[in-house]
Amino acid sequence: NAGVTQTPKFQVLKTGQSMTLQCAQDMNHEYMSWYRQDPGMGLRLIHYSVGAGITDQGEVPNGYNVSRSTTEDFPLRLLSAAPSQTSVYFCASSYRGGPSGGYTFGSGTRLTVV
Amino acid sequence: AQTVTQSQPEMSVQEAETVTLSCTYDTSESDYYLFWYKQPPSRQMILVIRQEAYKQQNATENRFSVNFQKAAKSFSLKISDSQLGDAAMYFCAYTTGGATNKLIFGTGTLLAVQP
Repeated sequence: NAGVTQTPKFQVLKTGQSMTLQCAQDMNHEYMSWYRQDPGMGLRLIHYSVGAGITDQGEVPNGYNVSRSTTEDFPLRLLSAAPSQTSVYFCASSYRGGPSGGYTFGSGTRLTVV
Repeated sequence: AQTVTQSQPEMSVQEAETVTLSCTYDTSESDYYLFWYKQPPSRQMILVIRQEAYKQQNATENRFSVNFQKAAKSFSLKISDSQLGDAAMYFCAYTTGGATNKLIFGTGTLLAVQP
């Protein structure tokens, strides 16, 4: 009964490095999304997907790429890390078309870019 | 565009007392869902309570209840008999569900519980 699994939990990157944050869910949820959380700004949507092969941009997509090759996985790629991307990142999933079952969140990744 | 506003960055309550956290939202939709999430220092996002806009009855979950005023676009959270474990950041969130299912968050209210 894993729910949403995010890895890693912590990461330090140097400016210009690339990396991938992993997100996997085992609930057969169609909808998956990535948020970043910054002090005083709540959680802001980066990218989301409504099913395998379908992705779209959220509120703050610049500097991030996503893909959805399977229902289970939704990785977030930082192409060239910048200090402005220092944040806590959350992956969330739900059934498509209605959140009556609620959204399930991963435990978050704290990323620091130096 | 839909927005969610939490006007209280920080709140404090005495243990066993009652506290109300405020949330307002802006939308032109008639059908939507509202949530309160709790985020303790562990960083985990925990669903506290959910309200469907088409339901007039206010949702309750044990010590947690909401005051949903659809016309005023207000969705406040009341915590009764506050406990030390209630200390956390609380986020109000909104979604229409539907095709995109995007969840929009407020900026959060940090609740401290004094012993």
